[in-house]
Amino acid sequence: ETGVTQSPTHLIKTRGQQVTLRCSSQSGHNTVSWYQQALGQGPQFIFQYYREEENGRGNFPPRFSGLQFPNYSSELNVNALELDDSALYLCASSPGQGGYEQYFGPGTRLTVT
Amino acid sequence: AQKVTQAQTEISVVEKEDVTLDCVYETRDTTYYLFWYKQPPSGELVFLIRRNSFDEQNEISGRYSWNFQKSTSSFNFTITASQVVDSAVYFCALSELWGYQGADGLTFGKGTHLIIQP
Repeated sequence: ETGVTQSPTHLIKTRGQQVTLRCSSQSGHNTVSWYQQALGQGPQFIFQYYREEENGRGNFPPRFSGLQFPNYSSELNVNALELDDSALYLCASSPGQGGYEQYFGPGTRLTVT
Repeated sequence: AQKVTQAQTEISVVEKEDVTLDCVYETRDTTYYLFWYKQPPSGELVFLIRRNSFDEQNEISGRYSWNFQKSTSSFNFTITASQVVDSAVYFCALSELWGYQGADGLTFGKGTHLIIQP
């Protein structure tokens, strides 16, 4: 059984640029969630996709957007990057809705300069 | 709004000691889920346990045990006979069935950095 994978591992961008992060969910999982983890903090929920539709969102501005594809993989897009967007971005998948445990990928470390 | 508090920022113990990590949560929902995750230095969050709000039974898995008490809104985690490999940051998390974040948006505490010294 393949776990959650994310790409790229590391990324360096300049303020104002746009970035796309990718996630492949665990086999059999149809729900993908994205989290932002700043250094020394707990992960913060960005949004969740279930069967290709966003069905939950945390306190993040609209410049954070996403997609989920028919194979349940997902993308996180961030426009107009700010220095505070520098963080570890974590993707998690789960087998459905209703409080299932979420399994996390290794994350993408984004640095904005 | 939902909230998770892990008051212990860092705990350091000597190997083989028992250690308890505290977690206190706040929610207005009657149906919610509690989780513990481990984050080793590699950075990947590892799922440890999930409990729903209707199941207050304590659970034991090897050296790990969890104590869920709704009366005090706590979900504490104990490691018995700690080992160096237990060194990591441990996160407690909460999701509400009908929360504003959506059914499965986890709210995490700030984490407890556990250091097991040999």
